[in-house]
Amino acid sequence: NAGVTQTPKFQVLKTGQSMTLQCAQDMNHEYMSWYRQDPGMGLRLIHYSVGAGITDQGEVPNGYNVSRSTTEDFPLRLLSAAPSQTSVYFCASRFKASSYNEQFFGPGTRLTVL
Amino acid sequence: TQLLEQSPQFLSIQEGENLTVYCNSSSVFSSLQWYRQEPGEGPVLLVTVVTGGEVKKLKRLTFQFGDARKDSSLHITAAQPGDTGLYLCAGSYAGNNRKLIWGLGTSLAVNP
Repeated sequence: NAGVTQTPKFQVLKTGQSMTLQCAQDMNHEYMSWYRQDPGMGLRLIHYSVGAGITDQGEVPNGYNVSRSTTEDFPLRLLSAAPSQTSVYFCASRFKASSYNEQFFGPGTRLTVL
Repeated sequence: TQLLEQSPQFLSIQEGENLTVYCNSSSVFSSLQWYRQEPGEGPVLLVTVVTGGEVKKLKRLTFQFGDARKDSSLHITAAQPGDTGLYLCAGSYAGNNRKLIWGLGTSLAVNP
């Protein structure tokens, strides 16, 4: 199993540009989520999904969209990038929605918005 | 609002030393997890504790969940350079077992 994969590893955008961060998992996990990690702020939940076709907002959803058309894929879209979105983004998955389950993280995407 | 406080924030020690890091809250958690994150990587789960007073061991790492389930500690015996990383705790409430509350982490450097 590849686990949770994310692409790209690094990205530089200009203010106002849009892009999609890709996330895929091959473990047949129901629950997938996106976090951003910033110094002094820790891991903050952006959006999550409890299954294909079902998504919901986390703590910091503004400026981001998600969709879950398949169990495997959970892309994160930045609609109009802003410098405040400079961060490290992690996709994560777990077998079921309950947080008792082990959460698997991808390697992260390091995004810089100029 | 930061509901899980981790201390110390930074720790730099020599190889072979022992250390303890803490994760504290004023709230009761139904479960608590510890993750380690190495530079440039995502967090990796070390352990999940669910019972008050529970102690779990993972080689040189000992994890304890407080009796009241409001705090937890991670003790490392004879630290190795490979233990270097960011240690994160994350807890979930009984009323919302989908949501994880994250601490800011303890950044540990073990010098050879």
